[in-house]
Amino acid sequence: TQLLEQSPQFLSIQEGENLTVYCNSSSVFSSLQWYRQEPGEGPVLLVTVVTGGEVKKLKRLTFQFGDARKDSSLHITAAQPGDTGLYLCAGEADDYKLSFGAGTTVTVRA
Amino acid sequence: ETGVTQSPTHLIKTRGQQVTLRCSSQSGHNTVSWYQQALGQGPQFIFQYYREEENGRGNFPPRFSGLQFPNYSSELNVNALELDDSALYLCASSVTAGSYNEQFFGPGTRLTVL
Repeated sequence: TQLLEQSPQFLSIQEGENLTVYCNSSSVFSSLQWYRQEPGEGPVLLVTVVTGGEVKKLKRLTFQFGDARKDSSLHITAAQPGDTGLYLCAGEADDYKLSFGAGTTVTVRA
Repeated sequence: ETGVTQSPTHLIKTRGQQVTLRCSSQSGHNTVSWYQQALGQGPQFIFQYYREEENGRGNFPPRFSGLQFPNYSSELNVNALELDDSALYLCASSVTAGSYNEQFFGPGTRLTVL
């Protein structure tokens, strides 16, 4: 059982469309990290959010941490084929251990 | 500055054998964590090493063991391999300091147990 629930599990959209991935938990985290993973490679850190209610923007990607520090979302504007990959959220507990969600597979069609 | 490296990239073993996987941490990082990622799943925490001591363990049996060396590189050892051990094994390095801990992952070792 994953401590973090991600939804949807799969997402296939056309280039130029927007998408949102959700990450929910009943646990409170000291921080939450988002990663993108490509087949056969390790996850690459995209962002870390720390403060409840925090919003971080990286170009077309917007990350939000819930006020209670239990949930997060990733929004991509005007998706491109290069955004294709497995998006993973990971919550960090007070002992610095990461618990991952099962991931959302995003496919952006040209 | 070099990132996290892992070796080997791929490995095929048979049931009952033993395997050692290796990880070199990113320069300046004193903490190494190991994860197992089965196909279609997120990474599952195996254990973490900080200053050569095990610093927390996930829900994995004792046949999964590890070491961290003075240069902060690390090994993951798995004894008595089972078919379900087939997975991508990921190593992540970080600096344990401050209020949160960003982990940087290596490319992984793909282990297949036949």
